[in-house]
Amino acid sequence: GQSLEQPSEVTAVEGAIVQINCTYQTSGFYGLSWYQQHDGGAPTFLSYNALDGLEETGRFSSFLSRSDSYGYLLLQELQMKDSASYFCAVNSGGYQKVTFGTGTKLQVIP
Amino acid sequence: EAGVAQSPRYKIIEKRQSVAFWCNPISGHATLYWYQQILGQGPKLLIQFQNNGVVDDSQLPKDRFSAERLKGVDSTLKIQPAKLEDSAVYLCASSLAARGGEQYFGPGTRLTVT
Repeated sequence: GQSLEQPSEVTAVEGAIVQINCTYQTSGFYGLSWYQQHDGGAPTFLSYNALDGLEETGRFSSFLSRSDSYGYLLLQELQMKDSASYFCAVNSGGYQKVTFGTGTKLQVIP
Repeated sequence: EAGVAQSPRYKIIEKRQSVAFWCNPISGHATLYWYQQILGQGPKLLIQFQNNGVVDDSQLPKDRFSAERLKGVDSTLKIQPAKLEDSAVYLCASSLAARGGEQYFGPGTRLTVT
């Protein structure tokens, strides 16, 4: 089966940088995704890493190390609107079944 | 481009009653997913369709849950009979293909079973 671990809560100051880590165990790994979900909203896609290394999209970056079964999401220049839950998710298996982690609740404080 | 549509947005039923949810994915998206998200947890995949065929339903409680995707477009998820523990948000998502990671989610249906 698949399992993912990420911190349950993180607090950071507006304007700062925060890193949310994700470790996973799975067979047939294809890639690691990150999603953002505001309270009462639906998850929205942030990034996808299939290969080792860093992917940058504006203020958000995502990193993957396949050999370490580890990835992280880096959020720079934090804004209050970044307060949300962040989920890592693995794509695995023949049809790339997606398994979500339990989520990290990020609170940005002034 | 229209997003993923779901209805109803909210539903309250009593235990042992039945309920159905509807999803219309983004046009042209071959892969459709139904997730169950309990408050404070990550979305849990219930069933994944590729066109109108099921490719994964390993976590679908088949004694009470059923889903279909007719003509490879719209999909319905049914619960019969409902239990208290089915109270959750039911999310539908679609993607262009199973590969690539990017899924587009609908607004979800919040189900309360009393």
